[in-house]
Amino acid sequence: DVKVTQSSRYLVKRTGEKVFLECVQDMDHENMFWYRQDPGLGLRLIYFSYDVKMKEKGDIPEGYSVSREKKERFSLILESASTNQTSMYLCASKTSGGSYNEQFFGPGTRLTVL
Amino acid sequence: RKEVEQDPGPFNVPEGATVAFNCTYSNSASQSFFWYRQDCRKEPKLLMSVYSSGNEDGRFTAQLNRASQYISLLIRDSKLSDSATYLCVVSSLNTGGFKTIFGAGTRLFVKA
Repeated sequence: DVKVTQSSRYLVKRTGEKVFLECVQDMDHENMFWYRQDPGLGLRLIYFSYDVKMKEKGDIPEGYSVSREKKERFSLILESASTNQTSMYLCASKTSGGSYNEQFFGPGTRLTVL
Repeated sequence: RKEVEQDPGPFNVPEGATVAFNCTYSNSASQSFFWYRQDCRKEPKLLMSVYSSGNEDGRFTAQLNRASQYISLLIRDSKLSDSATYLCVVSSLNTGGFKTIFGAGTRLFVKA
């Protein structure tokens, strides 16, 4: 059974804190993604990675960075959390190749920045 | 204009009803199309891919109209368990690889 796990389901941080969100997949997928999901806006891509140590900016990378040191792990970093980063964060992975490959999502991390 | 647009709903239908959702996309070069389902407080999961010839999976039928740039999802004989948010997803090939855009979703409530 395929699995994408995220380090926390709920997280509360203070403005200015450094925040790490971890994502691990056990499917040997090449591609991994970080999204945030906000009401009325849908999922917006923050960063993605198509290989170890490779990263590409998505549509809203400002205020975020990522790290992919191992194939199975993709970390999202908020260098200095702000209240407008309060959101649901979803990690996903998929194999490379065909255009119809499915993205598998983790359960999400609901981050609140006070 | 959003790249992928959906009616947010909510659609409130009785059990047994037939309900249809549409989704429009702006990039005429889009190549692959999907419907994902997201239950409340859960992650999105693939419901079905949408092919040019249209496809059916039990009570669910998906169709693609490239000329008008929209995809549709038809649910027949609605069940209470169909209550969820349905996300329209479109992928396009660009210089950086495939770009996938998720719609904001259409909420469906099926009532007894």
